[in-house]
Amino acid sequence: QKEVEQNSGPLSVPEGAIASLNCTYSDRGSQSFFWYRQYSGKSPELIMSIYSNGDKEDGRFTAQLNKASQYVSLLIRDSQPSDSATYLCAVIGDTGGFKTIFGAGTRLFVKA
Amino acid sequence: KAGVTQTPRYLIKTRGQQVTLSCSPISGHRSVSWYQQTPGQGLQFLFEYFSETQRNKGNFPGRFSGRQFSNSRSEMNVSTLELGDSALYLCASSWTSGGTGELFFGEGSRLTVL
Repeated sequence: QKEVEQNSGPLSVPEGAIASLNCTYSDRGSQSFFWYRQYSGKSPELIMSIYSNGDKEDGRFTAQLNKASQYVSLLIRDSQPSDSATYLCAVIGDTGGFKTIFGAGTRLFVKA
Repeated sequence: KAGVTQTPRYLIKTRGQQVTLSCSPISGHRSVSWYQQTPGQGLQFLFEYFSETQRNKGNFPGRFSGRQFSNSRSEMNVSTLELGDSALYLCASSWTSGGTGELFFGEGSRLTVL
């Protein structure tokens, strides 16, 4: 089992729709969770962090965390073509020492 | 404020050679992490250095090594290159150790092994 799992996609949504990206993790002791966005040919950049159960909103982005289910999600409201990118879920676990582990990423396409 | 700088950006090597990649973190950041990114495997953690000490290491063979200097700049070395080492190598810096906060990535060094 991979430490951080994501559906590789691609996920295709029309402009203006809600894009829902999901991630599960295996280390139950994980405490910190992040979503990074990576445009093609570019390096990842942080868009959201979440540390406690529930929802965290930042503009059009909402991160959701459920530690009991070991599940993290990212919702993008009013999706724009500029949101087309690969979204990487990242988790800091303590198995074998604290380190940031990334999922393989979900490719999102927003159609105009 | 300057970002994370990686050099070289592109390089081509042949099997059996070795390569050294360099990373200069954001000023004030003491943690440098290295990742290998390939289309099939995504971002794989190589190692993290904090204040010149390796704090953590991923599941890579001993051919992959690194170090950090007193000015927080870091280098990683890959010896006896194999075709499978072809990848984008990303360096990320952070304020704290253990990747406990946001990682700031450089543009990466794209290595092609022929």
